[in-house]
Amino acid sequence: EAGVTQSPTHLIKTRGQQATLRCSPISGHTSVYWYQQALGLGLQFLLWYDEGEERNRGNFPPRFSGRQFPNYSSELNVNALELEDSALYLCASSLGGWVWEANNQPQHFGDGTRLSIL
Amino acid sequence: DQQVKQNSPSLSVQEGRISILNCDYTNSMFDYFLWYKKYPAEGPTFLISISSIKDKNEDGRFTVFLNKSAKHLSLHIVPSQPGDSAVYFCAASGGGGSQGNLIFGKGTKLSVKP
Repeated sequence: EAGVTQSPTHLIKTRGQQATLRCSPISGHTSVYWYQQALGLGLQFLLWYDEGEERNRGNFPPRFSGRQFPNYSSELNVNALELEDSALYLCASSLGGWVWEANNQPQHFGDGTRLSIL
Repeated sequence: DQQVKQNSPSLSVQEGRISILNCDYTNSMFDYFLWYKKYPAEGPTFLISISSIKDKNEDGRFTVFLNKSAKHLSLHIVPSQPGDSAVYFCAASGGGGSQGNLIFGKGTKLSVKP
């Protein structure tokens, strides 16, 4: 069974540009989560999508956005890139459904996209 | 304010012995706890989880203990193997406003020496 896949592996952008990161969940998983791991800060929750809808977002500015497609894959878009956006962006998936189910399902992670802002 | 804390940045253990990794949390609303292992250049790999209605969960060499009154959980690895050398993250979910997302500790680097 294929795990969570993310593309691209590495992405280099300059300040002010836009970045698009992609994620394909494990087959059968309907929930997709995005996390940022910046140097020295640990994993920080960004966004949660389930059944095509945004269910929750972390403490990040609106220029971080995303969407989930009918096949449950997801995109993370970061607009007006800043130097501090340089980080590893991790996608995870889980069985979804109602909030209380999602709270007790392990999330399975991809290997991430390394975004570097020059 | 860090809601999930792993106070030991590193731990070194001899092969065959027990590894004990610790985690403390502050939010009493957390009701689901997980441990992940991470190798360099890879994403975190799910190891084991525990619901707040339990105080112990076992899976092979891995056992997680939960002490709700102390807001403390630990991961025991017995026996430890060199392949267990990795960074271990504790995570929690279920607190108000954290539906669907995991709150992670900063990790403990485990080194298992042959």
